[in-house]
Amino acid sequence: QTALTQPASVSGSPGQSITISCTGTSSDVGSYNYVSWYQQHPGRAPKLIIYDVSHRPSGVSNRFSGSKSGNMASLTISGLQADDEADYYCSSYRSSSTWVFGGGTKLTVL
Amino acid sequence: EVQLVESGGGVVQPGGSLRLSCVASGFTFSSYEMNWVRQAPGKGLEWISYISGSGATVYYADSVKGRFTISRDNAENSLYLQMNTLRAEDTAVYYCARTSAAGWNFDYWGQGALVTVAS
Repeated sequence: QTALTQPASVSGSPGQSITISCTGTSSDVGSYNYVSWYQQHPGRAPKLIIYDVSHRPSGVSNRFSGSKSGNMASLTISGLQADDEADYYCSSYRSSSTWVFGGGTKLTVL
Repeated sequence: EVQLVESGGGVVQPGGSLRLSCVASGFTFSSYEMNWVRQAPGKGLEWISYISGSGATVYYADSVKGRFTISRDNAENSLYLQMNTLRAEDTAVYYCARTSAAGWNFDYWGQGALVTVAS
């Protein structure tokens, strides 16, 4: 299965905002509002930070927000903090009862 | 507190078999769908398998279909992944992940089990 497309890396300074894109197809991102985002620190398990395009699980900072337009979803992190430095993955349900992840984006806080 | 603990990882030769286990606690295991997701060294996440709460419905990624089998024992609060005909490209950390009650995403993950396929 072809992965969703994410930029390999993004960077920003503390306090700034960054956006990570996630491009899929009409078989996944474009057809379902089931896009989720995961944060993964080195050596740790992924953590759910956004689900169903724009919903935050309990306990996740409101600095994280998600959106979608057509075949592309986006994750925005505002007020960047040092601890936000991590890998971020998007995921979508895909037709034929499968799930697909993006290739991951490494966020560097300068 | 929800906990997922994987075990069974290790080194296996190409063509060999291995069985991973994931023991769940802190929630009603039988009420939740479960998944296996893997991550090759230095690479991204790859969903590989899903199982419904009853175990009656399973799905697989094309990359493992016909070689891997997902199963569960709700009486033991355990999820399994039987991996046969292993290849070098199956080398990865394997995570068990719970599908959230809302569905369509993975809200809790285990710490992962490393599987290395090498001669």
